[in-house]
Amino acid sequence: GQQVMQIPQYQHVQEGEDFTTYCNSSTTLSNIQWYKQRPGGHPVFLIQLVKSGEVKKQKRLTFQFGEAKKNSSLHITATQTTDVGTYFCAGPRRQGGSEKLVFGKGTKLTVNP
Amino acid sequence: DSGVTQTPKHLITATGQRVTLRCSPRSGDLSVYWYQQSLDQGLQFLIQYYNGEERAKGNILERFSAQQFPDLHSELNLSSLELGDSALYFCASSAPEGWPANEQFFGPGTRLTVL
Repeated sequence: GQQVMQIPQYQHVQEGEDFTTYCNSSTTLSNIQWYKQRPGGHPVFLIQLVKSGEVKKQKRLTFQFGEAKKNSSLHITATQTTDVGTYFCAGPRRQGGSEKLVFGKGTKLTVNP
Repeated sequence: DSGVTQTPKHLITATGQRVTLRCSPRSGDLSVYWYQQSLDQGLQFLIQYYNGEERAKGNILERFSAQQFPDLHSELNLSSLELGDSALYFCASSAPEGWPANEQFFGPGTRLTVL
């Protein structure tokens, strides 16, 4: 079945350094979503990308969707301690008459102040 | 606050027991999803309900079952509990179905500990 792979699993950076997490799907995706889960918290939706080659920015966060719609990345510029958490990508998978989200295992980001 | 509520927040029980986790979706959301998150694991999709009907099934064990009631709240029943069932269980809801998949709003989760 469809798999969503995410790398790296862990990333430790110094505050001010950049951070990137990558997401790859075994199949073409209609869209991809990104979520952030703070330590002890629940996943929170960040963004959805739909178009091939799409790039969206949210302040210091830049999200990209690959041309083939099989990969995506999240880049954080000049990390801050508030960026700490686990970042998940998720792609939809049709199942019968519905869709379910298949989540990557996430990239856990720690930031050293 | 996502608008999704889950109770209880924490649950400690023994092996072999049965527990029920409860979720109330955001007002107006018809879809409810259940996920299991174990230590250092991602989110494992268990099951989805839409307006009272089961819509999609993931890696849900036969010992687990769920339902969605007419008022749209949902319950996840876990029986014959094993140590390995200890995990965070999240409920999420989303707006009425459309294409592409809508964002999901997650509840605060129920932490289940099986001793």
